[in-house]
Amino acid sequence: DAKTTQPTSMDCAEGRAANLPCNHSTISGNEYVYWYRQIHSQGPQYIIHGLKNNETNEMASLIITEDRKSSTLILPHATLRDTAVYYCIVRARNTDKLIFGTGTRLQVFP
Amino acid sequence: NAGVMQNPRHLVRRRGQEARLRCSPMKGHSHVYWYRQLPEEGLKFMVYLQKENIIDESGMPKERFSAEFPKEGPSILRIQQVVRGDSAAYFCASSPDSGNQPQHFGDGTRLSIL
Repeated sequence: DAKTTQPTSMDCAEGRAANLPCNHSTISGNEYVYWYRQIHSQGPQYIIHGLKNNETNEMASLIITEDRKSSTLILPHATLRDTAVYYCIVRARNTDKLIFGTGTRLQVFP
Repeated sequence: NAGVMQNPRHLVRRRGQEARLRCSPMKGHSHVYWYRQLPEEGLKFMVYLQKENIIDESGMPKERFSAEFPKEGPSILRIQQVVRGDSAAYFCASSPDSGNQPQHFGDGTRLSIL
């Protein structure tokens, strides 16, 4: 079973920031938080990952709370092409499988 | 840098036939993972392989399914005597090692069983 909880769906206006929350209250000290997204009929696309510090790349920012029990993925300026299902996954270093939950279906509207 | 390549993109088989799905990992990646996505469901892990070795096959059905990643060539997921319930999207991912580096996915093979 997935170790994360995400809202089923969210809406966001084009050009605004999309903030996608994720709860992982049972996360262990050696587990990383990964974010992927899946645009219809395509393979999952890696977005970002982190352990305890906030991370930023060209796609998004990842904010992890100090107690590490939750995190937020931020898409700073959402576009229509960001419409997808977003998956938050916790995974320990040196383990293999990614366990996908049901994710958050983000709909970006004009 | 080419991404993870899967072929064919679409595969149609009749019940009882064999299906062979291929996956070429990203350059420099020696770890391969296979996942299955049933319609309207999330991805489920099937198997994890390194060159010539199966590391974890805990998600593979016990019968009819097998996977290999030979020293030369792509990884192959083989399904023998396919049934209607095997209809799904099969995704392959690769990573350079088993540390915290992310897995990168191909665009999958859509298997349809008539």
